Amino acid sequence: RKEVEQDPGPFNVPEGATVAFNCTYSNSASQSFFWYRQDCRKEPKLLMSVYSSGNEDGRFTAQLNRASQYISLLIRDSKLSDSATYLCVVNIKQAGTALIFGKGTTLSVSS
Amino acid sequence: GAGVSQSPSNKVTEKGKDVELRCDPISGHTALYWYRQSLGQGLEFLIYFQGNSAPDKSGLPSDRFSAERTGGSVSTLTIQRTQQEDSAVYLCASSLGISVGQGRGYTFGSGTRLTVV
Repeated sequence: RKEVEQDPGPFNVPEGATVAFNCTYSNSASQSFFWYRQDCRKEPKLLMSVYSSGNEDGRFTAQLNRASQYISLLIRDSKLSDSATYLCVVNIKQAGTALIFGKGTTLSVSS
Repeated sequence: GAGVSQSPSNKVTEKGKDVELRCDPISGHTALYWYRQSLGQGLEFLIYFQGNSAPDKSGLPSDRFSAERTGGSVSTLTIQRTQQEDSAVYLCASSLGISVGQGRGYTFGSGTRLTVV
């Protein structure tokens, strides 16, 4: 089983739609969770951290379910500029461990 | 510097040649990471450096790959006797420290696109 799994998509949605991405992780000792965004031929950039209580940043909402080892990202009122690949990222609760990246879910928002 | 700087941005090399990729992290960032991303694939961890500690080399795919970090700042990733399967984007990232990176994420450079022909 891969450490971080995501549906690769692509998700094709119209502007204004609400879209949700899911991610599962295999190691129950995982401690920190993030969503990164990667535009085509660009480097990944941190979108938001994911907290146990859930957190929101504008149109973006992240949720964590530790019992199910499941992370989600909800994007409301999609914009054309949201088109990108969204990477689910976790870190294992061990000192000095690098972050583990999922392969990403591709979103395409059309007008 | 203001961001993580990588050079060259693109590199085309012949199979069997050695290449060196450079990363200049954000000033003051003690943790530096190398990942690679093959076409259509996720980020694959290669190696990381934290201060003066021994680097974690657990992700290096073969002994043709090595990296060093001089003076706790600039890092060089060297690939010897390159093979076609080494073609990928090599991404460098940094964070204030490994614990901070684990808690707040990393800042990535724009990468070096390596093509082995």
